[in-house]
Amino acid sequence: GENVEQHPSTLSVQEGDSAVIKCTYSDSASNYFPWYKQELGKGPQLIIDIRSNVGEKKDQRIAVTLNKTAKHFSLHITETQPEDSAVYFCAARTVNAGNMLTFGGGTRLMVKP
Amino acid sequence: SAVISQKPSRDICQRGTSLTIQCQVDSQVTMMFWYRQQPGQSLTLIATANQGSEATYESGFVIDKFPISRPNLTFSTLTVSNMSPEDSSIYLCSVGQGDYGYTFGSGTRLTVV
Repeated sequence: GENVEQHPSTLSVQEGDSAVIKCTYSDSASNYFPWYKQELGKGPQLIIDIRSNVGEKKDQRIAVTLNKTAKHFSLHITETQPEDSAVYFCAARTVNAGNMLTFGGGTRLMVKP
Repeated sequence: SAVISQKPSRDICQRGTSLTIQCQVDSQVTMMFWYRQQPGQSLTLIATANQGSEATYESGFVIDKFPISRPNLTFSTLTVSNMSPEDSSIYLCSVGQGDYGYTFGSGTRLTVV
């Protein structure tokens, strides 16, 4: 089945700096890659996603890039703010296995004011 | 995107008892999933809840321990049976909606004592 690896597991940046989180996946048939933000005591919230027919997508300070050949995708957050502090999860949709999402291990992002 | 109401939000249960978690969606959805998130960990899929038929369980999860019902396209329940402290986790309901991606409920935080 699909395997998603996420790095780094923790990331500490200064307010205003950029943060980059990287994920790799194993199943070349996966075609949808969402990113979730999870704050303490809450469920994961979708912040951006990308489909396999697109190489890059941007939404204000957040962008995601996808390299299908290398089977990796990345989340980029620019001009980080303290409220960006949370755990971020990447995921890949496994089309051949019931359209389920397989998640990476998560990245705890800390933005220091 | 769909709005998910998950109940209860948290509970403390005695070992050996069972807890049923409810997931109500404000619109009809085809895909509905149940995830477990152990403390400080990522999300692991328990099963896909199928409307009108038995749920599809992932490796390591069995129907006797995690029975699931899905009587219609807006509602599902997950029961955690014969609980032990190892079952202490956050349990999350999720729905898939095509172009709207996958939405998560706020989760049920379960502590077994």
